[in-house]
Amino acid sequence: GQNIDQPTEMTATEGAIVQINCTYQTSGFNGLFWYQQHAGEAPTFLSYNVLDGLEEKGRFSSFLSRSKGYSYLLLKELQMKDSASYLCAVRDSNYQLIWGAGTKLIIKP
Amino acid sequence: DAMVIQNPRYQVTQFGKPVTLSCSQTLNHNVMYWYQQKSSQAPKLLFHYYDKDFNNEADTPDNFQSRRPNTSFCFLDIRSPGLGDTAMYLCATSRDSGGSSPLHFGNGTRLTVT
Repeated sequence: GQNIDQPTEMTATEGAIVQINCTYQTSGFNGLFWYQQHAGEAPTFLSYNVLDGLEEKGRFSSFLSRSKGYSYLLLKELQMKDSASYLCAVRDSNYQLIWGAGTKLIIKP
Repeated sequence: DAMVIQNPRYQVTQFGKPVTLSCSQTLNHNVMYWYQQKSSQAPKLLFHYYDKDFNNEADTPDNFQSRRPNTSFCFLDIRSPGLGDTAMYLCATSRDSGGSSPLHFGNGTRLTVT
C-alpha cells in the first residue's frame, strides 16, 4: 500500500527553527507538496519538490531525497501565526495525490 | 482576485435529510476535486473532474454524488447523510493533473449531521 508518515505533533518556541519530517512509500513519484492548514481552514500551498535538494522560499524551505523517500519542511524565525498543521502530499505514478495526516505545530512564546 | 469559493461555510442537516454543497472557481482551472476531511486526518478524495470527465474514487460511498454543470461550478450532493458524514468538505482546483500543479482550495464547508 501507499503511505505517508509525519509526526503527529511538534512544539517549538517563537523565533526558533523547526524541521518537520515526511517519509513516503508510494507507487512511483511525480513530486511532493507541502501545505499549511490553520485550524478550521483549508490547506494553502507552501512548496513543491520534484528533484533532490533544497528549495528555499523566504522563512520556509523544503528538502527532498527521492532515494530515501524523505522530505522535510524547515521553518525559520518562527512566529505565533505559524501555529498550524503541515501536510505532506506525494503524487504517485498515476498522478494521484497521496496525503499525510499532517503535523500539528504548536508555537510557544 | 481569482479564487475558489465554497458555500455555505457551515451547514447543519438532520440525519437522512439531503444536502448540497457548492463550489465555484474563477481560476479557469480544468480540474476540480471534492475532498472530505475529518479532524486530524488526511483529506480523503471523493471525486474529481478533469474538464467534464468524472472520476469516482472506488471507496466513495454511493450516498455521495457530484455534478459539474460547467467549468466554473461543481456540486456535492449527499443524498442521505449519516452521523459519520460530519466533516469538513473541501473543494479544490488545479490547472491540470500534472506533477507540478498545486491544488487551490476553497475555505471549506463544515457539515454537521445531527
